[in-house]
Amino acid sequence: DTEVTQTPKHLVMGMTNKKSLKCEQHMGHRAMYWYKQKAKKPPELMFVYSYEKLSINESVPSRFSPECPNSSLLNLHLHALQPEDSALYLCASSLTGVRDTQYFGPGTRLTVL
Amino acid sequence: GQQVMQIPQYQHVQEGEDFTTYCNSSTTLSNIQWYKQRPGGHPVFLIQLVKSGEVKKQKRLTFQFGEAKKNSSLHITATQTTDVGTYFCAAPPTLGRLYFGRGTQLTVWP
Repeated sequence: DTEVTQTPKHLVMGMTNKKSLKCEQHMGHRAMYWYKQKAKKPPELMFVYSYEKLSINESVPSRFSPECPNSSLLNLHLHALQPEDSALYLCASSLTGVRDTQYFGPGTRLTVL
Repeated sequence: GQQVMQIPQYQHVQEGEDFTTYCNSSTTLSNIQWYKQRPGGHPVFLIQLVKSGEVKKQKRLTFQFGEAKKNSSLHITATQTTDVGTYFCAAPPTLGRLYFGRGTQLTVWP
């Protein structure tokens, strides 16, 4: 199983809403990532979890809050987002770190009204 | 900031023509990875190059890693409409972040 799943596929939320994005993998990978991708741009790294610990936070605003409940799950909690946060949010995982192949999920397309 | 420069940004070819995208770094890379993202899709891993001067082939795709491990290329022979998408190189600099090049968006006219 080389699949990373993400839910929901699409999300529309208002600026006062609280929502969560979910990511799951069962490949035994110990590194998990959140990326943000705007149209016609490359993915931008947001967070890296390594062995369930947050190892990299790329100066992401606090309205994005990651959580790694266990080695298979990764969440991204959203609160008080801005319209410019509308983007495709991609989850990825790799065996142990960035030198390993990253497997991406299908993404959640987020629209903030 | 961007650690890997990728060119061209866009490429339009007639079906059957060849296509090449290039990535360059100012620093030596431990490895370089290539991904393809179809329109509306997510990045899908194609290959990883690790050794200096390495060349790998996947059917019509040829991947090269430079001798100095600072540049790489992806060449597609005789493009097909199924090759449409954006091709990204991605490299982990020494401090452990995977940086994506800006991508080359390939359009193939039938």
